[in-house]
Amino acid sequence: AQKVTQAQTEISVVEKEDVTLDCVYETRDTTYYLFWYKQPPSGELVFLIRRNSFDEQNEISGRYSWNFQKSTSSFNFTITASQVVDSAVYFCALCSGHSNSGYALNFGKGTSLLVTP
Amino acid sequence: KAGVTQTPRYLIKTRGQQVTLSCSPISGHRSVSWYQQTPGQGLQFLFEYFSETQRNKGNFPGRFSGRQFSNSRSEMNVSTLELGDSALYLCASSLGEGTYNEQFFGPGTRLTVL
Repeated sequence: AQKVTQAQTEISVVEKEDVTLDCVYETRDTTYYLFWYKQPPSGELVFLIRRNSFDEQNEISGRYSWNFQKSTSSFNFTITASQVVDSAVYFCALCSGHSNSGYALNFGKGTSLLVTP
Repeated sequence: KAGVTQTPRYLIKTRGQQVTLSCSPISGHRSVSWYQQTPGQGLQFLFEYFSETQRNKGNFPGRFSGRQFSNSRSEMNVSTLELGDSALYLCASSLGEGTYNEQFFGPGTRLTVL
C-alpha cells in the first residue's frame, strides 16, 4: 500500500524565518515518484517539484530546497527566508504502480503554512 | 496558453440527484485526472483518462464515473448523490500518460449536496 504522512498539520512562522515541511512515505515499489504541490487560497494546486526514486540528489530552486532520503523514506521541503506569499497548504504526494495497471497519485493530508509579517 | 478550465465552478444539488462536471485540459495535453478534496479525507485520486481510455481508478464506488472525448476534454459524473459527496473536485491535465508526470490543476468545482 502507498501512503504519505505529513505530520505537521499547521505551521506558523514569522516572515524571514526558515521553515521545513516534513514528508514521510511508504511504498513497496522500487520505482516511484515524489511530488510537492502548493495550494494557495485561490485553490489551484501548483506543481513545485518531482523526484523519481532513482534520483536522491537534493535540489534547490531559489528559496526552496528539497531533501530526499530513501534511507528514511522522507522527502522534506525547506523554505528559506519565508515570505507572506508562501502562505498556502503544501501537499506531498507519492506516485507508484505499474505500467500494466496504471499509476495512482496519493497525497498527504497537507501542511498549512502561515507566514505573518 | 490557457490553463485547465473546469465548469461549473459551483454547484448545489440535493441527495439522490446526479451531477456532471466538465474539464478542459491545456491544449495538447492528452491525460486528464480527477481528484476529490474534502476536509476529512484530503485529496483523493478518482481516475485518470488518456486517449479516451480510463487508465487507472481510485477507490471510489461505481457511482463515480467519467469519460474523455476525442478532443481530450473530460467529464465526471456522480449519480445518486450523497451528503458525503460534497467536496471540491479538481481536474488535472498532463502531456503524457500517467499521474507520475507534472500535472496542471484547474480551479476546481465546488459541489454542495443538501
